[in-house]
Amino acid sequence: GDSVTQTEGPVTLSEGTSLTVNCSYETKQYPTLFWYVQYPGEGPQLLFKVPKANEKGSNRGFEATYNKEATSFHLQKASVQESDSAVYYCALSDQTGYQNFYFGKGTSLTVIP
Amino acid sequence: EAGVTQSPRYAVLQEGQAVSFWCDPISGHDTLYWYQQPRDQGPQLLVYFRDEAVIDNSQLPSDRFSAVRPKGTNSTLKIQSAKQGDTATYLCASSHLGNTLYFGAGTRLSVL
Repeated sequence: GDSVTQTEGPVTLSEGTSLTVNCSYETKQYPTLFWYVQYPGEGPQLLFKVPKANEKGSNRGFEATYNKEATSFHLQKASVQESDSAVYYCALSDQTGYQNFYFGKGTSLTVIP
Repeated sequence: EAGVTQSPRYAVLQEGQAVSFWCDPISGHDTLYWYQQPRDQGPQLLVYFRDEAVIDNSQLPSDRFSAVRPKGTNSTLKIQSAKQGDTATYLCASSHLGNTLYFGAGTRLSVL
């Protein structure tokens, strides 16, 4: 079945440093890929939908890239802020008739001022 | 536009008790999902509906869990006899034609 795997565990960074979160996926279909962010006490919220392969997307200073050949996608931010402290999830939606969404286990980011 | 609304926000039960969670999706969203999110884990699908029809309930522990969406709008998830292992946050999400998921704030369940 379809799945996504996030490779990073909890991450602690100082403000101003860079962040990279990596995800790989398995699917027999053509996927739509997403990044979600979850703050304490809230449900996950869409950070953005990853654009087509080999194109970059961006939102709130985050950038996403997608390597179709490597079946992987990545979230990056050049300079994190304390307000970026949250849990980041990659997700995959298959493109069959009624789409299911599969989530990674999440990467917890703590940014120290 | 109102987001996905869930109630209650918190529930505390003894083992063996029953509990129901209610979800009101975004207006016009035809697909509704229930996810279970154990502490420090990602959301795990329990069941999802397209309108009033169940599309996939294969991950729903059918002996104790049930979910309905009778008119294709609001939905209720019920646990008949809760166990400590059911302790988690229960998230409802909706989408239009399976495009992008929008989540509610969740119900945090503790089973003692």
